[in-house]
Amino acid sequence: DSGVTQTPKHLITATGQRVTLRCSPRSGDLSVYWYQQSLDQGLQFLIQYYNGEERAKGNILERFSAQQFPDLHSELNLSSLELGDSALYFCASSAGLATYNEQFFGPGTRLTVL
Amino acid sequence: DQQVKQNSPSLSVQEGRISILNCDYTNSMFDYFLWYKKYPAEGPTFLISISSIKDKNEDGRFTVFLNKSAKHLSLHIVPSQPGDSAVYFCAAGDTGANSKLTFGKGITLSVRP
Repeated sequence: DSGVTQTPKHLITATGQRVTLRCSPRSGDLSVYWYQQSLDQGLQFLIQYYNGEERAKGNILERFSAQQFPDLHSELNLSSLELGDSALYFCASSAGLATYNEQFFGPGTRLTVL
Repeated sequence: DQQVKQNSPSLSVQEGRISILNCDYTNSMFDYFLWYKKYPAEGPTFLISISSIKDKNEDGRFTVFLNKSAKHLSLHIVPSQPGDSAVYFCAAGDTGANSKLTFGKGITLSVRP
């Protein structure tokens, strides 16, 4: 158990809909990262937050947004969903700001868009 | 453009033998590298890392070798155990501000008893 929790575990929705994925980092970790893993792709970095502020952005679509709240939990919002958004979405956390610090991953949320 | 490549999607080895997992990168700015292991239905877990000032880092049965001139790194597992069967991701990044980790697609390792 990494100490990172993600909810829900599975999500099935329809095209055009909007969903919110939730992540609670390990106790004391200030950085939260979001990753997408599609069928034959590696982990694609989406975005990093550190202590409530956006710190780094990857290949995140404009239809996607995220935020980190004062209690350090984070939410990833995916809107106008398309079939291609079906993927595993992982949240990870680390103590510091630098991405070379060990990141602790949650179990992921599997999103299926029908 | 894939900056971190794990060209072999799978590898099968006999228990007790050496497993060698390879990773190539194209971005010369990368100066630290990590390996993560992933079991089904779980998130990846950190395994071992190496910075570009070293060419080898060892942790128990796991050793990572870095060849900067070839932009190549490899993970050696000796001896391999059935519990090592998992997907292994290579990741790279640079220590510049607001850097991000770039992951490869992963290699599925199967260790046969």
